[in-house]
Amino acid sequence: AQSVTQLDSHVSVSEGTPVLLRCNYSSSYSPSLFWYVQHPNKGLQLLLKYTSAATLVKGINGFEAEFKKSETSFHLTKPSAHMSDAAEYFCVVSESGGSYIPTFGRGTSLIVHP
Amino acid sequence: DTGVSQNPRHKITKRGQNVTFRCDPISEHNRLYWYRQTLGQGPEFLTYFQNEAQLEKSRLLSDRFSAERPKGSFSTLEIQRTEQGDSAMYLCASSTANTEAFFGQGTRLTVV
Repeated sequence: AQSVTQLDSHVSVSEGTPVLLRCNYSSSYSPSLFWYVQHPNKGLQLLLKYTSAATLVKGINGFEAEFKKSETSFHLTKPSAHMSDAAEYFCVVSESGGSYIPTFGRGTSLIVHP
Repeated sequence: DTGVSQNPRHKITKRGQNVTFRCDPISEHNRLYWYRQTLGQGPEFLTYFQNEAQLEKSRLLSDRFSAERPKGSFSTLEIQRTEQGDSAMYLCASSTANTEAFFGQGTRLTVV
């Protein structure tokens, strides 16, 4: 069985400071991991994905994430937050040896202060 | 590529009525997923199709819910005898095998 735990329901940062959104996963098979972003009244947009190639994955809008198998983590980072980054972020796992159905975490709300 | 399209975007219905939502996936995608999302929660899996075959259903999908994907193209999700607890955003996504899912904008259902 697969599952995702997003460790913070809310993260608040000031514009221009680093962002860290934490995600731990559980998977019986080799996982594929994703981060999606959801802006208010908008659809889910893929930020980045890990599918067993490089462990440091770069995504859109300056975001990146590092897959750490020993820690079962896939934390999302950005060096400098922008006001437009304020949104809900979801960590997602799919099992390559299973049905590959995406399983979502509960989400982390990123708040960016001017 | 026009993306995943869902209709209607909003639906208000009275308790006890039936509702049907439609999802048009990206044309070359053989997998189609339905999710439900309530306020402050992540999307919860309901069911998925590979081509026209419904391969998995969540226990969240009560017998009042039914989904179809005739001919492996568009899909419909029907809720019979709606209840207030059915109020949520219903999301559809599509993908090819073992790749990321692309999501539609969702259908927001309000049961009054």
